[in-house]
Amino acid sequence: QSALTQPASVSGSPGQSITISCTGTNSDIGNYNLVSWYQQHPGKAPKLIISEANKRPSGVSDRFSGSKSGNTASLTISGLQAEDEADYYCCSYTGSYSVFGGGTKLTVL
Amino acid sequence: QVQLQESGPGLVKPSQTLSLTCTVSGDSISSGAYYWSWIRQPAGKGLEWIGRIYASGITSYTPSLRSRVTLSVDTSRNEFSLKLNSVTAADTAVYFCARGTFREDAFDIWGQGTMVTVSS
Repeated sequence: QSALTQPASVSGSPGQSITISCTGTNSDIGNYNLVSWYQQHPGKAPKLIISEANKRPSGVSDRFSGSKSGNTASLTISGLQAEDEADYYCCSYTGSYSVFGGGTKLTVL
Repeated sequence: QVQLQESGPGLVKPSQTLSLTCTVSGDSISSGAYYWSWIRQPAGKGLEWIGRIYASGITSYTPSLRSRVTLSVDTSRNEFSLKLNSVTAADTAVYFCARGTFREDAFDIWGQGTMVTVSS
């Protein structure tokens, strides 16, 4: 099972919005709504920011939103802030196990 | 609140078995709609899901590691464990344990991670 495909890097200026894509197949993203997104700052454990493709856990800023269409899930961060600079990972259920994307480094210019 | 803590040797020799334990505090490992996972991250690289185990002992593993991995759970000690045999330098990574939710299939609580180096 290959990792889900994410862009290696994205960037944006403070206040702008960015979107990170996560492309899978009919066996994972396309077949289940069980897509989650994680934010990871250097040297830290990942933090869950989106579950079930578009649901924000309690305490997560509403500047983070998720969506899914076909085999591709997306994470949008609006009103970029310096603290959003981090690595972001998507993850999908495949029917028997889970698979992560390769990760996207977000740079806030 | 629920916390997870990984423990185990930080250095393992090639061809030997990597063994790690994750201790759960703040709640019973058997309570609620959760399962328990191991995830690893080589330095400078992305996350790799290793496997999951339910309190009942049912397991699921990623295909690429299935032949070398064993997860186990000890409900009396409120901990679960990872064994990875025949390790090579490619298994050098930070290993995280995490709690997964049944309904959302998402990892909502993570341990801090423990670095394991495979070297002679």
